[in-house]
Amino acid sequence: DAKTTQPNSMESNEEEPVHLPCNHSTISGTDYIHWYRQLPSQGPEYVIHGLTSNVNNRMASLAIAEDRKSSTLILHRATLRDAAVYYCILNVGGGADGLTFGKGTHLIIQP
Amino acid sequence: DVKVTQSSRYLVKRTGEKVFLECVQDMDHENMFWYRQDPGLGLRLIYFSYDVKMKEKGDIPEGYSVSREKKERFSLILESASTNQTSMYLCASSLLLTGKDYTFGSGTRLTVV
Repeated sequence: DAKTTQPNSMESNEEEPVHLPCNHSTISGTDYIHWYRQLPSQGPEYVIHGLTSNVNNRMASLAIAEDRKSSTLILHRATLRDAAVYYCILNVGGGADGLTFGKGTHLIIQP
Repeated sequence: DVKVTQSSRYLVKRTGEKVFLECVQDMDHENMFWYRQDPGLGLRLIYFSYDVKMKEKGDIPEGYSVSREKKERFSLILESASTNQTSMYLCASSLLLTGKDYTFGSGTRLTVV
């Protein structure tokens, strides 16, 4: 199984950028990197995904290392509403077997 | 908005009971999934389905079965509930298998006593 490794928790201050790291040293060439987040008392929601190039959307940016063995989710200006568990997931085999969520990173935002 | 609705938010059942957890999606998605979430273990995939009457085992199918008689509905069945099945159960649906469009329900917290 292609695995990801994330810190259990991170803390940041409101209105500051947040960089959430993810290691995936066993990634293969066709595995997409997905990020989901789970707000309190809700199911996970999609944040962003990428393959090789850095990606931006309205929620976040995804920076992917050149060797693809790691990636970083960037929240440019964190708000209290960004406090959540963030999951870094590899879409192995095109997702044919469902996404495998790990334990994620619990992001705490201090006012 | 895509909606995935789980029939109960909280459920308490007795050991040995047969339990049905229902999930309905309203966006004509082909794929549906059942996960359970436990503290310290993250989300684990129980079963999923690509189409009506199709089902595939996930990582932890033991003690569970599923039913998909209609495209919009995916049921998780605990044939004989046990205390170790006390958990948060999350249903998801997706149109694609690429992983970028999973939509989750709010979850059912099941307690087996």
